[in-house]
Amino acid sequence: DAKTTQPTSMDCAEGRAANLPCNHSTISGNEYVYWYRQIHSQGPQYIIHGLKNNETNEMASLIITEDRKSSTLILPHATLRDTAVYYCIASPMDSSYKLIFGSGTRLLVRP
Amino acid sequence: NAGVMQNPRHLVRRRGQEARLRCSPMKGHSHVYWYRQLPEEGLKFMVYLQKENIIDESGMPKERFSAEFPKEGPSILRIQQVVRGDSAAYFCASSPEGLAYTEAFFGQGTRLTVV
Repeated sequence: DAKTTQPTSMDCAEGRAANLPCNHSTISGNEYVYWYRQIHSQGPQYIIHGLKNNETNEMASLIITEDRKSSTLILPHATLRDTAVYYCIASPMDSSYKLIFGSGTRLLVRP
Repeated sequence: NAGVMQNPRHLVRRRGQEARLRCSPMKGHSHVYWYRQLPEEGLKFMVYLQKENIIDESGMPKERFSAEFPKEGPSILRIQQVVRGDSAAYFCASSPEGLAYTEAFFGQGTRLTVV
């Protein structure tokens, strides 16, 4: 699986968009980009995934650059409950269950 | 529809004892995955099971650890002769089918403390 690099921590104001970047410059053609988050002491929660095209669901949007070397997770209107550690993972879909979590980005949403 | 249920939530064992962690998947889910999270670290995959079968155990330590998912009942992760280094949070996830992993849901975890 390709290595991903994320900032250690970020913060944003409640109600504003939170943009979380991820670098995956060695990603291969069959690897998807997955985003999970883990709220303190809870199990991880799937957010979104994509291969080449931008994706949107009820939780977030995923923007993947054309060269696929980086991506951004966007939480359009962050709430206090979005405070969590966010993990970006690059993995082939058929082994995506292996979920190699790195250090992630600790997002703090400020009131 | 109840979520993934893990029990116990907290488990304390003395060195050398056995730890049994249980995971009841969501209704209709036949695929179960176990992960371990050491303090201040990310999750690490341990084992992937389908009913009565181990699909991938490449993340399981070679000794003392075993997992099963019987036809009836919860999935069990068993750790024999626990050591202090086994202290961690153990998470279970389930999904309705293997390759649709993005539909997997995680339980709240079992926090094992070895004293």
